[in-house]
Amino acid sequence: RKEVEQDPGPFNVPEGATVAFNCTYSNSASQSFFWYRQDCRKEPKLLMSVYSSGNEDGRFTAQLNRASQYISLLIRDSKLSDSATYLCVVSRGGADGLTFGKGTHLIIQP
Amino acid sequence: NAGVTQTPKFQVLKTGQSMTLQCAQDMNHEYMSWYRQDPGMGLRLIHYSVGAGITDQGEVPNGYNVSRSTTEDFPLRLLSAAPSQTSVYFCASSYSPYYEQYFGPGTRLTVT
Repeated sequence: RKEVEQDPGPFNVPEGATVAFNCTYSNSASQSFFWYRQDCRKEPKLLMSVYSSGNEDGRFTAQLNRASQYISLLIRDSKLSDSATYLCVVSRGGADGLTFGKGTHLIIQP
Repeated sequence: NAGVTQTPKFQVLKTGQSMTLQCAQDMNHEYMSWYRQDPGMGLRLIHYSVGAGITDQGEVPNGYNVSRSTTEDFPLRLLSAAPSQTSVYFCASSYSPYYEQYFGPGTRLTVT
């Protein structure tokens, strides 16, 4: 089983729609969880951390299910500027830091 | 506050040449790491450092060396470039291995 698995997409979504991404991870010792955003030919940037209680930042909501080892990201009222690749990121549990999923490609269509 | 900076932005090497990719951060982060990103492979960890004088190998360390003489700098050295090392290289820094990492803008390397 891969450490972090994501549906690569692409997800083609009309502007204004709600879109959800899922991610599963294999390391039960993982303690930290994040969603990153990566635009074409740019560096990954932190979108939001994911907490056990779930958290929201504007149009973005992240959920964590430790029992199922599952993380989700919900984007409401999607904008053209949301088009990007979204990376699910999980701590490895040791000094070797974070494991990155391969990303889900999102295209918002006008 | 520049964050994480990397030089050069682009580089073309011939097989067998060596070079050093530079990375610096001004956030006083103890943890720094190098990744390579290839199409369909995602980000893969090359080397990391938990502080000045301490480095360790990641998933794909072969063909690369690192050193960490100061908190700010973490250069990555390609010993003898090979076409398989054609990739985009990102340096990142963080307060700890468990915290969010901040990335530099990347170096696009082509080895012919």
